Amino acid sequence: QKEVEQNSGPLSVPEGAIASLNCTYSDRGSQSFFWYRQYSGKSPELIMFIYSNGDKEDGRFTAQLNKASQYVSLLIRDSQPSDSATYLCAVEYYRGGADGLTFGKGTHLIIQP
Amino acid sequence: ETGVTQSPTHLIKTRGQQVTLRCSSQSGHNTVSWYQQALGQGPQFIFQYYREEENGRGNFPPRFSGLQFPNYSSELNVNALELDDSALYLCASSWDRAIEAFFGQGTRLTVV
Repeated sequence: QKEVEQNSGPLSVPEGAIASLNCTYSDRGSQSFFWYRQYSGKSPELIMFIYSNGDKEDGRFTAQLNKASQYVSLLIRDSQPSDSATYLCAVEYYRGGADGLTFGKGTHLIIQP
Repeated sequence: ETGVTQSPTHLIKTRGQQVTLRCSSQSGHNTVSWYQQALGQGPQFIFQYYREEENGRGNFPPRFSGLQFPNYSSELNVNALELDDSALYLCASSWDRAIEAFFGQGTRLTVV
């Protein structure tokens, strides 16, 4: 059973601080890892993806992957109230799409002004 | 704006009816994936179409079926609707089965 686990939150972070979102996955053969942001009533928006161990930075966002620990995280620096949303972690177990993406249930992030 | 367009945006159906949801993929994309997102849950993979053929399928019953057309747009059909089919249905497109997937705005289906 392929599983992706996230703390549902809510995670409350003061404006300007670093928000840290975490995700674990069950299958060591996982290939690719994705972070999506979803505002209430809207569809998920891709923030970034990561394939290799280590860090990947894109603006205020940094994704971190540790395949040995089966752990992926997303850091949001200088958090803004507009970052308040649900953050979905997704894992691709099979390159080529045959299994699609497996999503966690999401972490609800609240940035307090 | 992802370039993936879904229609309709909202739909109300009665239990037992059939529904067709539509998705226009982003220009140049030949792969379409469909997901179901129930309230408070992450999206669940229904199936993927690549060049008009089903490329993979999640754990959904056969009453969930799909099509992809030569222009790579796609349909999701659900027969014998059940109350639990009420959800946000998401379509994503990509190139050559890649999973760097961009979702459309979704179709909110309510079954009563």
